[in-house]
Amino acid sequence: TQLLEQSPQFLSIQEGENLTVYCNSSSVFSSLQWYRQEPGEGPVLLVTVVTGGEVKKLKRLTFQFGDARKDSSLHITAAQPGDTGLYLCAGLNTGKLIFGQGTTLQVKP
Amino acid sequence: GAGVSQTPSNKVTEKGKYVELRCDPISGHTALYWYRQSLGQGPEFLIYFQGTGAADDSGLPNDRFFAVRPEGSVSTLKIQRTERGDSAVYLCASSSQGSGMNTEAFFGQGTRLTVV
Repeated sequence: TQLLEQSPQFLSIQEGENLTVYCNSSSVFSSLQWYRQEPGEGPVLLVTVVTGGEVKKLKRLTFQFGDARKDSSLHITAAQPGDTGLYLCAGLNTGKLIFGQGTTLQVKP
Repeated sequence: GAGVSQTPSNKVTEKGKYVELRCDPISGHTALYWYRQSLGQGPEFLIYFQGTGAADDSGLPNDRFFAVRPEGSVSTLKIQRTERGDSAVYLCASSSQGSGMNTEAFFGQGTRLTVV
């Protein structure tokens, strides 16, 4: 069974702080995705990383895929209250998306 | 419609009853996924369709759960003899490519199922 473990599971920070969320697996994935989910909504795709060592930036968010394609990280710079939500990593293998357990981020003004 | 539509948005049922949850995917999307999500947790994979056939149903927890997609578009998740432990948000997603590396899954808002 392929498992994705995210850490931390819960993070509460002040506006302006930086943070990093980690996603780790013992399995290799052909690609890894990060989603953000708000209460009452479905997850929305933020980014897909495919190549080992790949780094992608989306405004204040930086995503990295590990060299061995088993782990990924999401770094947020100068967090804002609007970043509050559930962040999910998901690995793609044989057409099936497997999600981690999620990181709940709360950014206080 | 423009996005994935799930109905009903909320369903309360009594223990032991049968329920059906419907998913209308984005038009033209060949892949359709069902997930189950508990509060504050990541979605748990249930089943994945490519066209009309179930490509992977390894996530269905037991034989009380069944899903169909007879015409390769709308899908129905069916739960027999519901139990309180089935209470969760059931999410549906669709994508245009089933196994492509850059597959983006578009999610519906989910059906919140409560078994009392």
